[in-house]
Amino acid sequence: QVQLQESGPGLVKPSQTLSLTCTVSGGSISSGGYYWSWIRQHPGKGLEWIGYIYYSGSTYYNPSLKSRVTISVDTSKNQFSLKLSSVTAADTAVYYCASQDSSGYYYNWGQGTLVTVSS
Amino acid sequence: AIRMTQSPSSFSASTGDRVTITCRASQGISSYLAWYQQKPGKAPKLLIYAASTLQSGVPSRFSGSGSGTDFTLTISCLQSEDFATYYCQQYYSYPPIFTFGPGTKVDIK
Repeated sequence: QVQLQESGPGLVKPSQTLSLTCTVSGGSISSGGYYWSWIRQHPGKGLEWIGYIYYSGSTYYNPSLKSRVTISVDTSKNQFSLKLSSVTAADTAVYYCASQDSSGYYYNWGQGTLVTVSS
Repeated sequence: AIRMTQSPSSFSASTGDRVTITCRASQGISSYLAWYQQKPGKAPKLLIYAASTLQSGVPSRFSGSGSGTDFTLTISCLQSEDFATYYCQQYYSYPPIFTFGPGTKVDIK
């Protein structure tokens, strides 16, 4: 059973870059067949897809965030990462990493990490 | 982008009730729909994909149906552990823009 774990700062200042890493265990990112995704959930709200990466490095981002998002993968560490630039209070959310079936649904999720944007 | 709506947004039910939640897509999505359960402070959990395929390990009291624009999630006999928020998600659109419904909260009557 693949497990995912998010890590990174819980507090980011406005205008700075949010950086999170997802460590995958129980399976290899390089095995193929899955996309590796980031999703966020604003406090008390619904779920918003941020983007995904394939082990080869190909990415796709939510157009609403595309100008500020970068997702990268480090297969040697079995990790993938999220960078979101120029953050504002509106980016305060719980950020989840997840494995995504190639057709598009999310198999496994990390526990989530709350990132607060505040000075 | 394809918009997803759910009804009702919340409701109260009792253990043993048969419960139905509806999800509607703004355009046809064939059967490219998944359902998730989320409990407070926890990550969502995949229940159903391809509109009606039960994820391994999910109790058989959960079932899904529908295609095109209208979908339902049914819990045949509500258990105490089923009180949660349920989300639908479409994965039909290309270029991929995966969208979730706003959620349906089921709480105890």
